[in-house]
Amino acid sequence: ETGVTQSPTHLIKTRGQQVTLRCSSQSGHNTVSWYQQALGQGPQFIFQYYREEENGRGNFPPRFSGLQFPNYSSELNVNALELDDSALYLCASSSPLSGTQYFGPGTRLTVL
Amino acid sequence: QQQVKQSPQSLIVQKGGISIINCAYENTAFDYFPWYQQFPGKGPALLIAIRPDVSEKKEGRFTISFNKSAKQFSLHIMDSQPGDSATYFCAASREGSGNTGKLIFGQGTTLQVKP
Repeated sequence: ETGVTQSPTHLIKTRGQQVTLRCSSQSGHNTVSWYQQALGQGPQFIFQYYREEENGRGNFPPRFSGLQFPNYSSELNVNALELDDSALYLCASSSPLSGTQYFGPGTRLTVL
Repeated sequence: QQQVKQSPQSLIVQKGGISIINCAYENTAFDYFPWYQQFPGKGPALLIAIRPDVSEKKEGRFTISFNKSAKQFSLHIMDSQPGDSATYFCAASREGSGNTGKLIFGQGTTLQVKP
């Protein structure tokens, strides 16, 4: 088990709604990355936060946004939800020493 | 140039056998190659990782073989056990100053180890 926690575990929303997912990074880790994992696929990089600033973004539209707080926890916000946003959302934390990313258990989002 | 291709998509192995999963990458700037294990309903867990300065790394029953010239790497699971039944993902990233270290994942291999 890593020290990365995510909440909530599961979430059901309807199309057009907005959602906020939360992640607490492992102790000593100041970098948080978010990934989207569709069913049967590998995780896809959404973006990364380092010291409260966005530090790289994957091929996701602007309605995917995030925040990182001074304690290095992070939020992923998705606006105007679409059916294709249904997926497992993973956050991973890493330290500046090794760069190895440790994943949390994920949040399963279902958009109806 | 960002793709990582993984094969096979699924694999069935008898208990005690060797499981082999292969990955190929395109971007020669990648310098970190981890393997993750994922059980249903869980996040990926780091299994073993290698950097291109070595051709092989072994940790217990798990071995990564790395072929830099062919841009390929593979995971070997020796003495496979039913508890190894899971989905395995290879990944690649570019680390170092100025890079995010974002992981590019393969499509995954579902391994079933039969008792």
